Amino acid sequence: AQSVTQPDIHITVSEGASLELRCNYSYGATPYLFWYVQSPGQGLQLLLKYFSGDTLVQGIKGFEAEFKRSQSSFNLRKPSVHWSDAAEYFCAVGSPDSNYQLIWGAGTKLIIKP
Amino acid sequence: GAVVSQHPSRVICKSGTSVKIECRSLDFQATTMFWYRQFPKQSLMLMATSNEGSKATYEQGVEKDKFLINHASLTLSTLTVTSAHPEDSSFYICSASPGGRVTEAFFGQGTRLTVV
Repeated sequence: AQSVTQPDIHITVSEGASLELRCNYSYGATPYLFWYVQSPGQGLQLLLKYFSGDTLVQGIKGFEAEFKRSQSSFNLRKPSVHWSDAAEYFCAVGSPDSNYQLIWGAGTKLIIKP
Repeated sequence: GAVVSQHPSRVICKSGTSVKIECRSLDFQATTMFWYRQFPKQSLMLMATSNEGSKATYEQGVEKDKFLINHASLTLSTLTVTSAHPEDSSFYICSASPGGRVTEAFFGQGTRLTVV
């Protein structure tokens, strides 16, 4: 079955500390991988995406993610978080063969300690 | 990036009334628009996919007579929640794709619907 797992419901980090949000997927086809961020009461903003090529992807706001096929993972990282990074983060998987469906993770809420 | 505007951002309505939510692509033509529902502390659930000028395709379990979707132009899609009930209270999000692919979609800001 196709699925996306974000093992951490919430994560708390101190401002200035590094961050890694985990995402594992189960997908039968070559995956397209996404990370989105949702601030409270807001829609979703695309942070980065991986379609092919270099497995280390740079995104907006200083985020990056690394696609590891052998581990079926696409973890999101940031070397130093800012208080404004506090939000909900969603990992999603799609297929180049399917125009209409993304499989979403349940989200990880990031809490920043001052 | 491309801008998708969703309106209203918040709406409160009485039980039994209907509510219309608009989703506009401001600087591109959206061949396809997607409507999602998000329950508290949960991920997004795709409700339906609409292509301009044709009937929407609803996901299993979504009542098409309750959630009316119209995609009359390449820049506007509307979701009407008919005869709303408190259990319809939720966060509704649209996304729009210029090329018809969900992998290229841009999201609106979402609409918080509260039915009292």
